[in-house]
Amino acid sequence: QKEVEQDPGPLSVPEGAIVSLNCTYSNSAFQYFMWYRQYSRKGPELLMYTYSSGNKEDGRFTAQVDKSSKYISLFIRDSQPSDSATYLCAMFTDKLIFGTGTRLQVFP
Amino acid sequence: GAGVSQTPSNKVTEKGKYVELRCDPISGHTALYWYRQSLGQGPEFLIYFQGTGAADDSGLPNDRFFAVRPEGSVSTLKIQRTERGDSAVYLCASSQGGGSSPLHFGNGTRLTVT
Repeated sequence: QKEVEQDPGPLSVPEGAIVSLNCTYSNSAFQYFMWYRQYSRKGPELLMYTYSSGNKEDGRFTAQVDKSSKYISLFIRDSQPSDSATYLCAMFTDKLIFGTGTRLQVFP
Repeated sequence: GAGVSQTPSNKVTEKGKYVELRCDPISGHTALYWYRQSLGQGPEFLIYFQGTGAADDSGLPNDRFFAVRPEGSVSTLKIQRTERGDSAVYLCASSQGGGSSPLHFGNGTRLTVT
């Protein structure tokens, strides 16, 4: 079993939809949780960074962490075609471990 | 200043050859990381430098892979006797303090071994 499991994509939604992206993890030592966005042929860029259970909001993006269930989510409100990318969850103990990524396509 | 810079952006080499991949981190960042990303997968940790020394090289797959950071800035990932299975995107990242500090990634070097 992988330390970090991420829902497989691809996910295709119409513009304006609310998107939910999810990851589960097995290692209770993970303390810091991040979401990265990766456009085609580019490096990952940091979207959200959290270290506690609960919600963190930044514009159209909300990151949610539930340590008791070992489950994290990223919500995107009012999705735009420019949000089309691969979304990677990542978790840190002594190193940053990534999920496999979910490819999102937002069509006009 | 500028972000993390990786060169070359693409490298095609023949099986058995030696390759070097270069990473210029963000100025002032003491921590530097190498990751490998295969198609359809997330980045996989290879090695982490704090300053000039490798603090964690547990992700290097075998002894054909080696990385250096002699002056605590630029780093080079070296792969000997390349194999077709080494084909992937090699990503470099840097952070201000290491540990849980957010990583800033370059755009990677796409290595193809024929």
